[in-house]
This record gives sequence, C-alpha cells and structure tokens, in this order.
Amino acid sequence: AQSVTQLGSHVSVSEGALVLLRCNYSSSVPPYLFWYVQYPNQGLQLLLKYTTGATLVKGINGFEAEFKKSETSFHLTKPSAHMSDAAEYFCAVKLGGAQKLVFGQGTRLTINP
Amino acid sequence: DSGVTQTPKHLITATGQRVTLRCSPRSGDLSVYWYQQSLDQGLQFLIQYYNGEERAKGNILERFSAQQFPDLHSELNLSSLELGDSALYFCASSEGLAVYNEQFFGPGTRLTVL
Repeated sequence: AQSVTQLGSHVSVSEGALVLLRCNYSSSVPPYLFWYVQYPNQGLQLLLKYTTGATLVKGINGFEAEFKKSETSFHLTKPSAHMSDAAEYFCAVKLGGAQKLVFGQGTRLTINP
Repeated sequence: DSGVTQTPKHLITATGQRVTLRCSPRSGDLSVYWYQQSLDQGLQFLIQYYNGEERAKGNILERFSAQQFPDLHSELNLSSLELGDSALYFCASSEGLAVYNEQFFGPGTRLTVL
C-alpha cells in the first residue's frame, strides 16, 4: 500500500509565482512527515519536518508546509519562486515508530523566467 | 555539505560482478541507513544499522548485504550484479534511534551495470 502520494510528477511555475507541491499520506496513526529537496547530482537535503505540535511548519529557503490531519495532507508551499528552487522534491513519512523514511515518487519543479 | 561521505562517486561494472560501496556517517551519528534510488522504483529503504548492529531491513535483495564497523563506517556489498541494479545508492546517518531524529544524506554513489 502506498503510504505517500505526491500529486504531479512535474510542476512548472513562473519566477515570483506561488509554489505548491502536494503530498498526501495514508496512515491510521499520526505520522512524522518530511520534505526533502534534491538538486541535480546531489544528495537529499531536509527542507522541513513535522513531528508534533504546531501544524504549520517553516523550513529553509522560505518553504513551509501545513499538516492537515482531516485531509491527510502535508503540502509544501513557497510564496514566491526563485530560479534556484528548481529541483526535485520528495515528501516522506516515518510510520509506526520506525526510523526508515518512506518516500513519495517525487515532484520535479521547474521555474520559468 | 551534510557531513556524510560516500565513496566512490561513480562505479561502472559488468553483470555478474561484485562491488562495495562505502559510507562514513556524520561525526557522532550512530545510525546508518542505505537507500536505493532508481527510475522505476523511486527512493527505497534498504537497511539500517545502529552502532554495529542491524536494526531494520527493507526491500533489500539477498544478493545485497551490509555491515557497520566499529569505527561506525558502513559498507554495502552488491553481488551477482544485474542490469536492474543500476541506480543511485544513498547513505544517510542520524544521531540515534529517536523517530524524530533527522537523517542526513550523503551525495550518493551512482552504480552503472553494463
């Protein structure tokens, strides 16, 4: 069963426009949720994470995400896209107390000048 | 720079061969994870070690094995290689076993099997 679903394998926005990358999870218990970014030929870098507490999480590079339990979602947003945001973004969860990350299929973000 | 190092960066080999991928975790991190990234399977967890002991196993093939040494570096051994093993292999490390611990990823080893 797919634990994490990222809607849209490719998203293209104009520079300065809102970035919205969608992530839904399936879990009967509150998961730990993460967004990672992968720049070309590099490893994964953590953007932000939700563990407990405040449902709106702020991360690096101006990104934020909101945990919505009722919608089982953890969408990633940024108010104004920069050219440097072009990369692949992965949503991931940790389920049931396990330490392993379960990743979505990734969303490639393209920024148009 | 995450502090996690992986060698080699690229590896090209032939089917049937055996290779070893090496990972050095961040200073102080006791837990090491191996992930495989391929076009058809995406990013998948392979195996986790904590302070030298196997902690969790994922979708790791029987042809693959790993270990973590007393100095905490880890090696992933891939044998009887097949074309489908071509992928990017990431190592990650974290401080301990708490589920909220962040995993820091290395730059990966790109394996090409010809």
